[in-house]
Amino acid sequence: AQKITQTQPGMFVQEKEAVTLDCTYDTSDPSYGLFWYKQPSSGEMIFLIYQGSYDQQNATEGRYSLNFQKARKSANLVISASQLGDSAMYFCAMRAPNSGGSNYKLTFGKGTLLTVNP
Amino acid sequence: DAGVTQSPTHLIKTRGQQVTLRCSPKSGHDTVSWYQQALGQGPQFIFQYYEEEERQRGNFPDRFSGHQFPNYSSELNVNALLLGDSALYLCASSPRGRRSPLHFGNGTRLTVT
Repeated sequence: AQKITQTQPGMFVQEKEAVTLDCTYDTSDPSYGLFWYKQPSSGEMIFLIYQGSYDQQNATEGRYSLNFQKARKSANLVISASQLGDSAMYFCAMRAPNSGGSNYKLTFGKGTLLTVNP
Repeated sequence: DAGVTQSPTHLIKTRGQQVTLRCSPKSGHDTVSWYQQALGQGPQFIFQYYEEEERQRGNFPDRFSGHQFPNYSSELNVNALLLGDSALYLCASSPRGRRSPLHFGNGTRLTVT
């Protein structure tokens, strides 16, 4: 069965510093996709970054980058130059197997609550 | 360009009642997925609709049902509500046939008393 593990219930970071949020995954599917979403207190899940299992390079999107270590089955999110608005829950997710490559069915971790201090 | 919209924002129901939640997908999207997010947990996939049919379903009982309309909007119905159904219900949309990330709405907070 597919599983996403986020071991950090909460993280604190000073404004303007970088922070790494951990995510490990378990799957027997050779083809998979990994996502990171941000959930502010408003409830909306905001897509941040995507990494495909066959992608040669680590994904980057602005201040977000994904440290993808396939052999270790880890996909850690790195946020550079943290801002106060980055305070939110962060979820790591994986595309479910047998989903025909579609992204409709995702398996989520339990999330990490990030607090950015001024 | 409106994103995914959900209504109502909050809802309080009594055990045993039935509830209907509504979702309008992002413009240009024709596929809708529903997720349940219990307090302190990540979202769990309920089901996905495309062309007015349920295409995939997660591990949820038949009390959870849905519908998609010709304009791609969708409803989630839950019958015989249990206390454990209290959660944030998230609707997500995406364009069919593309590996696009899901776009989520703000959710409906359902409280069952």
